[in-house]
Amino acid sequence: DVKVTQSSRYLVKRTGEKVFLECVQDMDHENMFWYRQDPGLGLRLIYFSYDVKMKEKGDIPEGYSVSREKKERFSLILESASTNQTSMYLCASRGTGPSNYGYTFGSGTRLTVV
Amino acid sequence: KQEVTQIPAALSVPEGENLVLNCSFTDSAIYNLQWFRQDPGKGLTSLLLIQSSQREQTSGRLNASLDKSSGRSTLYIAASQPGDSATYLCAVTQNKLVFGAGTILRVKS
Repeated sequence: DVKVTQSSRYLVKRTGEKVFLECVQDMDHENMFWYRQDPGLGLRLIYFSYDVKMKEKGDIPEGYSVSREKKERFSLILESASTNQTSMYLCASRGTGPSNYGYTFGSGTRLTVV
Repeated sequence: KQEVTQIPAALSVPEGENLVLNCSFTDSAIYNLQWFRQDPGKGLTSLLLIQSSQREQTSGRLNASLDKSSGRSTLYIAASQPGDSATYLCAVTQNKLVFGAGTILRVKS
């Protein structure tokens, strides 16, 4: 089974801090995604990547950046954390090809910005 | 713009009941449809993936159907158990994954 691992389950950071959320997948998937999930707003796509060093903006990229230096790792960066970035962050990966169309999600990182 | 709707928003049933969760989408040009389960405070667990060329998929007590032309999918859960209590999310794939708002299921023992 594909595993998507998010390095932290819970994080508490101060306003203005630079925050790194890490995600690693073990199945050589080309595609990786970052979502945030908020009550009443559902899951919203922040950024995604189709390959190493490639990135594309999702629906709500403002205040975030990403890094994909290696195929298995996709990092979400909050350049200067703000309280409105308090949320559940979910990473996902997906392969390409006929048998790899499904998304696999990590267990999530609950980020609180104080 | 693709929109995914899930009905009902919440459901409470006694243990042992068979139940159906509904999902509809506005644009039938999808690659596939995926059903997920989410427990409180946790990530998403994939339950079933239906490719656009398929009509249904089964896993244990779960059966999901897809009618692309009418823009509908159903998730059937047989003989429900308290451990099935969770939020169930439907999502369709085009160039990205588009989620419904979910159905919150509570199975009472």
